[in-house]
Amino acid sequence: SQQGEEDPQALSIQEGENATMNCSYKTSINNLQWYRQNSGRGLVHLILIRSNEREKHSGRLRVTLDTSKKSSSLLITASRAADTASYFCATRMGKNRDDKIIFGKGTRLHILP
Amino acid sequence: DAGITQSPRHKVTETGTPVTLRCHQTENHRYMYWYRQDPGHGLRLIHYSYGVKDTDKGEVSDGYSVSRSKTEDFLLTLESATSSQTSVYFCAISAIAGETQYFGPGTRLLVL
Repeated sequence: SQQGEEDPQALSIQEGENATMNCSYKTSINNLQWYRQNSGRGLVHLILIRSNEREKHSGRLRVTLDTSKKSSSLLITASRAADTASYFCATRMGKNRDDKIIFGKGTRLHILP
Repeated sequence: DAGITQSPRHKVTETGTPVTLRCHQTENHRYMYWYRQDPGHGLRLIHYSYGVKDTDKGEVSDGYSVSRSKTEDFLLTLESATSSQTSVYFCAISAIAGETQYFGPGTRLLVL
């Protein structure tokens, strides 16, 4: 059952440009997380934003959350070759002890030299 | 990096044979998860554990079983491997349910 859906599926930009990826989801969430996956590696957590937050920053990363539109965006500023990776959003819907998170299918980002 | 290891990292097996994948953590996190990742499907939850001997099914649990006899180890068993179980398997851990997860390096499994 897919909750979050990233858009676009793939994105190629020049090094130094900003990259924006979007995530839309269907039902109310408790939090939304973004992860990065380099080719052949495990996922790495980037940012967690809670349902009562609208924006968070971490270094060159900026995440926004619009609960009225059920969407989030991840902005990577001044992109670098090392940012080439797949980016996944993941959503947590409830507040129970056993709650899980559901991952989207990801956006493949390619930074061109 | 969170202390999570998976073994083996690569495995080739034949249809019908049992296979066990191991996830080991040194973080003492309560929650452990097994996912499979396939092209076009993203990451799908197989089973998860919320404590020693406490496990539950995820989205794609058919054909898989798990065990957790110690906090640090979470085993995934394919009872009788099928070609549809060819995939990359990831283990993840978290201290709090539904919050940040830390992933292992993955196991590439090929079932012939």
